[in-house]
Amino acid sequence: AQKITQTQPGMFVQEKEAVTLDCTYDTSDQSYGLFWYKQPSSGEMIFLIYQGSYDEQNATEGRYSLNFQKARKSANLVISASQLGDSAMYFCAMREGRAQKLVFGQGTRLTINP
Amino acid sequence: IAGITQAPTSQILAAGRRMTLRCTQDMRHNAMYWYRQDLGLGLRLIHYSNTAGTTGKGEVPDGYSVSRANTDDFPLTLASAVPSQTSVYFCASSEFRASGRNNEQFFGPGTRLTVL
Repeated sequence: AQKITQTQPGMFVQEKEAVTLDCTYDTSDQSYGLFWYKQPSSGEMIFLIYQGSYDEQNATEGRYSLNFQKARKSANLVISASQLGDSAMYFCAMREGRAQKLVFGQGTRLTINP
Repeated sequence: IAGITQAPTSQILAAGRRMTLRCTQDMRHNAMYWYRQDLGLGLRLIHYSNTAGTTGKGEVPDGYSVSRANTDDFPLTLASAVPSQTSVYFCASSEFRASGRNNEQFFGPGTRLTVL
């Protein structure tokens, strides 16, 4: 079974609008971590935000926030006031238990239109 | 500047040839990883190492081997390359913490490998 599912292969958003990128996960562990990474066209992987399974509040990092709904097993990334530079691939990833390994989703390609 | 370096940046390789992708980090992270990225499949873990002297298999280990002789270096070897190993390869590292919390992985710039 797919551990991380990103159902939106591509999204197109107008500049300055907010955008939500979906991520659902599957795990039986009580302790896990969820990550979002950005990959611009230059290819590097950039860490954006982290949410721990025991964290009671949703994580926020500047314009990025994570809408964590534990019962639904979803960890959606919200980007407020999108900018042209936000155009990139976005990957959701999960770390289970004490393992350090990450499992990645297939990614969502976000395009911000001026 | 601290970070992860990978070499080569790109390589075209004939099928059947042996190839080693190099990865070096200067952050003194305990854990290191190799991923491959293919279109539509995201990143998939090939091998990992939680500490120098130990390695483990990831999701797609067949055809690849790794070694971890010291903390900084984590080379990935393709013993006999095949066209299906054409991909972009990323090395990553993280700090292995007992609590396992918030140990983000730092990625290298990637190696683009084409096997003909």
